[in-house]
Amino acid sequence: RKEVEQDPGPFNVPEGATVAFNCTYSNSASQSFFWYRQDCRKEPKLLMSVYSSGNEDGRFTAQLNRASQYISLLIRDSKLSDSATYLCVVASPGGSYIPTFGRGTSLIVHP
Amino acid sequence: EPEVTQTPSHQVTQMGQEVILRCVPISNHLYFYWYRQILGQKVEFLVSFYNNEISEKSEIFDDQFSVERPDGSNFTLKIRSTKLEDSAMYFCASSESSSRETQYFGPGTRLLVL
Repeated sequence: RKEVEQDPGPFNVPEGATVAFNCTYSNSASQSFFWYRQDCRKEPKLLMSVYSSGNEDGRFTAQLNRASQYISLLIRDSKLSDSATYLCVVASPGGSYIPTFGRGTSLIVHP
Repeated sequence: EPEVTQTPSHQVTQMGQEVILRCVPISNHLYFYWYRQILGQKVEFLVSFYNNEISEKSEIFDDQFSVERPDGSNFTLKIRSTKLEDSAMYFCASSESSSRETQYFGPGTRLLVL
């Protein structure tokens, strides 16, 4: 069965901390990778796409390791507003790339 | 900033009844999707729609589900005979070119089947 696995957490960190999340996927044919953020009872919102070379957007850095089939998200200098659930999403080729969501990792940033 | 909208925000229905969930995707987007998220569980893909036809559907999307784009703006999900286990948040999403690209999600419809 094709799955995306994440540590559910919660990760409870103080403001200013650096925190890292990992995600593993089982379908080696996966082509597209994303991190989404979901606030409680809200819709998922794209945080960043994940490229093979790794990419950075401000305090957020995403890495992809195809050989080991995992994706990581690093958040530096955590803010209270970063508290949310972070969803790993992997899209595998079908006719139009079917996305599979992980269950999400919960992050709580406290003062 | 353009956004995906969904109506209603909440719907309560009796088991066995039909419900129609409505979505207005972002206007220049060509790919449309429905997802569901049972409370406390992960987001699950239901169906993708392109060029007025279904392009992919999951095992969840059985014969009781159907989708339609009745006009140039709306995209609907119909559940013909609701079951208790259909209670979930249903998200519509759209993307400009394909599901390899960023999908923009609507705020969701929370469906409760009694």
